[in-house]
Amino acid sequence: GAGVSQSPRYKVAKRGQDVALRCDPISGHVSLFWYQQALGQGPEFLTYFQNEAQLDKSGLPSDRFFAERPEGSVSTLKIQRTQQEDSAVYLCASSPRQGRGMNTEAFFGQGTRLTVV
Amino acid sequence: AQSVTQLDSQVPVFEEAPVELRCNYSSSVSVYLFWYVQYPNQGLQLLLKYLSGSTLVKGINGFEAEFNKSQTSFHLRKPSVHISDTAEYFCAVTGSARQLTFGSGTQLTVLP
Repeated sequence: GAGVSQSPRYKVAKRGQDVALRCDPISGHVSLFWYQQALGQGPEFLTYFQNEAQLDKSGLPSDRFFAERPEGSVSTLKIQRTQQEDSAVYLCASSPRQGRGMNTEAFFGQGTRLTVV
Repeated sequence: AQSVTQLDSQVPVFEEAPVELRCNYSSSVSVYLFWYVQYPNQGLQLLLKYLSGSTLVKGINGFEAEFNKSQTSFHLRKPSVHISDTAEYFCAVTGSARQLTFGSGTQLTVLP
């Protein structure tokens, strides 16, 4: 596709359920970011991949959060034993650049809205 | 460490009036600065960015922003707003960190 695609767009999970959120970046993009956007807040960094390597996972809020990008393209963010505070929009962004300039050409997906009930 | 402060959470303005959305940042290194717009249930769309050079940056949809290093500000302006400009606006910075650091957002509401 022409842009970053995320699926599902909406997900309702019961507390304690595991969820998997998918991001299809723009083809050939080296860098991939995941952000979490709570209601009424700006996005907050979760993790960063350069190709298949997860170079930074300092923003993951707990060990229930896990992300992977095994072939350097599609990425999955997995949340185990979901809790109500995990309710947020999860945004994925990709860039053809790496290094400091990567954010100068970052493209965002529409996000997945996760609601934990 | 880097941070962004958006001083106004909500800005109501009448159609065709000018608007300024304020953004201040802190960073110990030189920065790149960005403004994004988010329409309901949509992702983030880049409005404009400052990387270097001229401190006045022009973006899409008639928006512009001015980088002021001494005041550590990057305020967004538009001389005449339209109803369609109603959206959430986010200022963001990247400096020493790889990722973007966002402000908490400003909801711009254009009134008829």
